[in-house]
Amino acid sequence: GAVVSQHPSWVICKSGTSVKIECRSLDFQATTMFWYRQFPKQSLMLMATSNEGSKATYEQGVEKDKFLINHASLTLSTLTVTSAHPEDSSFYICSAPGTANTEAFFGQGTRLTVV
Amino acid sequence: AQTVTQSQPEMSVQEAETVTLSCTYDTSENNYYLFWYKQPPSRQMILVIRQEAYKQQNATENRFSVNFQKAAKSFSLKISDSQLGDTAMYFCAFMNRNTDKLIFGTGTRLQVFP
Repeated sequence: GAVVSQHPSWVICKSGTSVKIECRSLDFQATTMFWYRQFPKQSLMLMATSNEGSKATYEQGVEKDKFLINHASLTLSTLTVTSAHPEDSSFYICSAPGTANTEAFFGQGTRLTVV
Repeated sequence: AQTVTQSQPEMSVQEAETVTLSCTYDTSENNYYLFWYKQPPSRQMILVIRQEAYKQQNATENRFSVNFQKAAKSFSLKISDSQLGDTAMYFCAFMNRNTDKLIFGTGTRLQVFP
């Protein structure tokens, strides 16, 4: 199956700094990627849809200025958590639809801890 | 808006036995897929099984099968001959084919014990 690589797998940052998370489709092109957030022992909540060559679309309640998404190429989407605070600590996961759009392929996830 | 409901926060089963995880969903769409994903402690999301809404036949993947009741908007997962490696969180998910967005249920934590 298709491979989605997410980096870093974990990061610790100081409050007030920004953190960038990368999501790459390794063996296929993805015009769309999705970013999810998962709190401990909870489900995946869709944050936004990343669109190659255009602006991301955000789900209701997600701050666009806090979570900056850039889809610079057909294989790379980035999520930047700006001015991070402890409440932004969470597990972030990206996914991309396969070429047949019949399933989603997930990155390994990034555990963000803001101290 | 679509919603996915998993009413069993936790389930347990003895090794080699069969267990069924429940899932219901709500949608006005006709063109959609349903999935079961497994999330082990590594937190990597692993596709277990997929069902196309237009297919009446229930999907099967080795020890995993679904009972898809479209009219009732029900999509349960049956795991036969449970193995210790099946211990994980299981998420039911709905994909709108028009947007490719995945909407997840709250998950069921399955524990397989010897």
